[in-house]
Parts: sequence; structure tokens; C-alpha cells
Amino acid sequence: KNQVEQSPQSLIILEGKNCTLQCNYTVSPFSNLRWYKQDTGRGPVSLTIMTFSENTKSNGRYTATLDADTKQSSLHITASQLSDSASYICVVSPMNTGFQKLVFGTGTRLLVSP
Amino acid sequence: EADIYQTPRYLVIGTGKKITLECSQTMGHDKMYWYQQDPGMELHLIHYSYGVNSTEKGDLSSESTVSRIRTEHFPLTLESARPSHTSQYLCASSATGSTEAFFGQGTRLTVV
Repeated sequence: KNQVEQSPQSLIILEGKNCTLQCNYTVSPFSNLRWYKQDTGRGPVSLTIMTFSENTKSNGRYTATLDADTKQSSLHITASQLSDSASYICVVSPMNTGFQKLVFGTGTRLLVSP
Repeated sequence: EADIYQTPRYLVIGTGKKITLECSQTMGHDKMYWYQQDPGMELHLIHYSYGVNSTEKGDLSSESTVSRIRTEHFPLTLESARPSHTSQYLCASSATGSTEAFFGQGTRLTVV
């Protein structure tokens, strides 16, 4: 069982609508949780990084939340655009480890339809 | 915009051929990484380097090898490509003390 589980696996929404992606993790203790956006055939691009003590972090229309007690994070996308179509990956960094120990989720594939 | 570049972007090659995937970054980062990603699956670390002449294997066993002769360059080599090596290979770099890492655009390798 992956230590970082994301849901839904895929999602289709209409342009302009909002959506929320979920990430449940079992990595403990952890130092930070990241959300990446990965366009098809491209490398991931960082959206937000939250330390274990942060509850929310925004980057434009993207807002990530973190509940360390329930080990859940969500990524909320507001007023979706066609360019938001991509995979969104949740990544957890175990405490006192470097980048080489990151635990990746399998991602949620989002399609924004006109 | 991250200054990390991978070439080629796409490569189709026959079984048994030797290939080298290139990765270069101009940010002066001392740490560099290679990941393998199959469609719909998570990224798996196959190699990393903390600096010149430093290379380590990642969690996912790989038949590839890497070298780090210069800070900015971290090539990955497959001595004899096989169909099982078909995948996307992503290179990344980060600076010591930073929580941020930057990814290249990836090389999609197909071995026929």
C-alpha cells in the first residue's frame, strides 16, 4: 500500500467550475507536503509546499490545506481553466530526510472541459 | 522558469543499443536526481548525486548508470537498452538547504 494515496484517480470538470483533490498519507513524522502539477509529457512543477505546522497555502487559484492530525491534504482549484488540465501529484517528505526520500502519490488526472 | 534541460525529449531505439540521456542545469545546484515514471504511476528515484564525483542509487533498482563529472551535468546511461526500459525519465536538481527542487521536462524512452 502506497504511503501517499490520492483521490479521485481522475476527474472531469467544466471550465469555470471549482474542484478539490484529496491526498491521504501515512508518512510520519514528516517535514513538509508538496503539491505538484504535471502536464502530459512534462516534468512536475511545484504549486505549494507546506510544513507540518502550516494549515493552508495559496498560489493564485490553487489553495492547499493540511490537517496533520488526520493526515489529509487537499488541493482546491478555483474557477478552473483549460490549462489546468494536468496530473496533480501529492508528495510527502519524511522528517529529517532529504529530497531523495520523498514519497510520491500516483496523482489525480484532471481534465477541464470547455 | 527552471533552468534544467533534458535531451532528447523523445527517443525510440532498438534493443541492445547503448543510450545516454542528458541532463544539465544552470542554477549551480549541487544536488541532482533521476526519476523513472511509468504512465499513471508515481515517480521512483533511481539515482542521485550530492555533488561532483558523488553518485548513489535510489530506491528503485535500475540497470542504468550515472556520472557527475561537472556540477551542471548529470547524464544517465543504459549500456544495452531493453523493452523493459521503456519509460519516462525525469531529471531534477535542488540546492543544499532548500526545500524546493526543479524538474526537467523529461525524456520519453521507447525501446523496440
